[in-house]
Amino acid sequence: EDQVTQSPEALRLQEGESSSLNCSYTVSGLRGLFWYRQDPGKGPEFLFTLYSAGEEKEKERLKATLTKKESFLHITAPKPEDSATYLCAVQARKDTGRRALTFGSGTRLQVQP
Amino acid sequence: DTGVSQDPRHKITKRGQNVTFRCDPISEHNRLYWYRQTLGQGPEFLTYFQNEAQLEKSRLLSDRFSAERPKGSFSTLEIQRTEQGDSAMYLCASSRARDGDEQYFGPGTRLTVT
Repeated sequence: EDQVTQSPEALRLQEGESSSLNCSYTVSGLRGLFWYRQDPGKGPEFLFTLYSAGEEKEKERLKATLTKKESFLHITAPKPEDSATYLCAVQARKDTGRRALTFGSGTRLQVQP
Repeated sequence: DTGVSQDPRHKITKRGQNVTFRCDPISEHNRLYWYRQTLGQGPEFLTYFQNEAQLEKSRLLSDRFSAERPKGSFSTLEIQRTEQGDSAMYLCASSRARDGDEQYFGPGTRLTVT
């Protein structure tokens, strides 16, 4: 059974204080690892897809990296508007026929001015 | 591209009643997914359609739940004989294989069963 564990559950940062969120996963053959941002009362917003170990993707102050067992979301010099829950999800290989995403419980990030 | 839309956004119902939710995917997205999310948890997969065919169902999808996508466009999710444990956010997502198959989510329908 695919599993995703995210840590920490909650993180409070001062504006400008860089940090990293962790996503550990087990999956029967990884097709892709996905990062989403979710604001309260809204649906998840797609951020990145990573397909293979060593891959990195960046968007503004966010950078996602992937190894064979975990992914990190690095937040550089965060601003209050980066406050949200960040969700990690995995999808199994195409040949399994499964398209479902398995999500972690998320990291609630609060950035204080 | 107007995004995934869901209707209604909020639904309050009494235990034992039936409810139906609608999802309109991003145009030209042939894949559509339903997830359920409770407070403090990540979304949990319920079911997936490719065009009008329902190809994957979670063990979470009890007999009281049924989903359809009659013409491969919009989809409906019906819950019969609602229970208090059904209270959750119901999320719909859509994707298109040739675009990398990233799933884009709608705003969700918040269901409260009293």
